[in-house]
Amino acid sequence: GENVEQHPSTLSVQEGDSAVIKCTYSDSASNYFPWYKQELGKGPQLIIDIRSNVGEKKDQRIAVTLNKTAKHFSLHITETQPEDSAVYFCAALSSGNTPLVFGKGTRLSVIA
Amino acid sequence: EAGVAQSPRYKIIEKRQSVAFWCNPISGHATLYWYQQILGQGPKLLIQFQNNGVVDDSQLPKDRFSAERLKGVDSTLKIQPAKLEDSAVYLCAGGTGNTIYFGEGSWLTVV
Repeated sequence: GENVEQHPSTLSVQEGDSAVIKCTYSDSASNYFPWYKQELGKGPQLIIDIRSNVGEKKDQRIAVTLNKTAKHFSLHITETQPEDSAVYFCAALSSGNTPLVFGKGTRLSVIA
Repeated sequence: EAGVAQSPRYKIIEKRQSVAFWCNPISGHATLYWYQQILGQGPKLLIQFQNNGVVDDSQLPKDRFSAERLKGVDSTLKIQPAKLEDSAVYLCAGGTGNTIYFGEGSWLTVV
C-alpha cells in the first residue's frame, strides 16, 4: 500500500520568511495530493491540493509542487505570519476507492 | 454550506467502558470516513463508507470497534470495551471524488 513520509517534523521560521515542507510517496499510481492545516483542537482543514497532471499550483501565499518522477511533493508558504503556526499534513491518494494516506505531520511555528 | 458535524466533542471514560461518536457529513457527500488520530501522528483510516456500504474496514479493530451508516447519511462509531490506547481524536470526514472535508473531531480520553 501507499506510504507517505513527511519532513521535517518541526519547523520554526521568523515571521516574513518562507517555509517549505516536503513529502515523498511510494505508490506510483497515486494521483491526488492534498495538504491539510490542523490548528490546536480542530480538525484538519484542506488548504491546497494538486493532481498528478499538474506540476505546480499556487494560491496566494501557498504553493505546492509535484515531481512525479521522483515521487515527491512540497508545500511552500511565503511571507509567513503567526497565524500560519499549526500542524501541516500531506497526503496521497491512489485512484478508485483507496483511502487517503497521511504523513506524520509538520509542526510549523512562526516567530513574530 | 454546513460543515461536517460531530458529537460529542470531548469524552472521558474509564477503560472497559463503551462510547459512541456520531457524525453528520456535508449534505450530498456519498463517501464518509472515520479516522483515528493519536496525539502527534497523522490521521489513520478506520473505515470508509460509500453511501451505506462499507468500502474499506481493513484497519478497524473489529473485536472492539464497530461503525454503521444507516440510510447513507449520518454515521455512528462505537468502541466497546475501550482500552487506554484508544485515547485519540476520532475524525469524521466526507467527500465527493477525491476531496475530503473533516469535522472538528471527537476527543476521547480513556483512563
